[in-house]
Amino acid sequence: DTGVSQDPRHKITKRGQNVTFRCDPISEHNRLYWYRQTLGQGPEFLTYFQNEAQLEKSRLLSDRFSAERPKGSFSTLEIQRTEQGDSAMYLCASRPGTANTGELFFGEGSRLTVL
Amino acid sequence: DAKTTQPNSMESNEEEPVHLPCNHSTISGTDYIHWYRQLPSQGPEYVIHGLTSNVNNRMASLAIAEDRKSSTLILHRATLRDAAVYYCILRDVVQGAQKLVFGQGTRLTINP
Repeated sequence: DTGVSQDPRHKITKRGQNVTFRCDPISEHNRLYWYRQTLGQGPEFLTYFQNEAQLEKSRLLSDRFSAERPKGSFSTLEIQRTEQGDSAMYLCASRPGTANTGELFFGEGSRLTVL
Repeated sequence: DAKTTQPNSMESNEEEPVHLPCNHSTISGTDYIHWYRQLPSQGPEYVIHGLTSNVNNRMASLAIAEDRKSSTLILHRATLRDAAVYYCILRDVVQGAQKLVFGQGTRLTINP
């Protein structure tokens, strides 16, 4: 499968624990995005990378959230001291750097449930 | 980002055409109109995008009003697999906007 891959697909954790999600974008896509989606809502932008540089962060990304893309390939999204309000689907997307009007390719998401 | 307005839900029958409307009265001259859809339990999927002229691809057609203040996504012959939430999104490419800002979308139900 050459699409955007996310791991794990499902995570159940207790409040206060830390969780980490991984995203493997499509090979050679230098733009990578993280979104969060709660039930019944559209996806909300969290952050954006161009290669390894994190160029934009939403105010939704509180100090408990950190995202990295150390070598400009895969990315991780870590949530520290999880809260019940963090329960959501976390979506990763990528696109090539050329063709600025081009589509975003989304993964199937990582669903987080905080008990 | 300029806003879009879509109906919350629509319903159609299998094998009939579906016209999904989107209003974007505050669109700027450099906003591209993008459509994505999200099937149940999946990430969003690109459908089509355009700037001024109508666009066709294998999935759908995009009809853009002459004043660009509205657009319509057309599914020519709906199937049950087209049941999804459809999002109409504006993105100002010239201004360098990199992200897509999703609204609530239109939940499309297809009746057999």
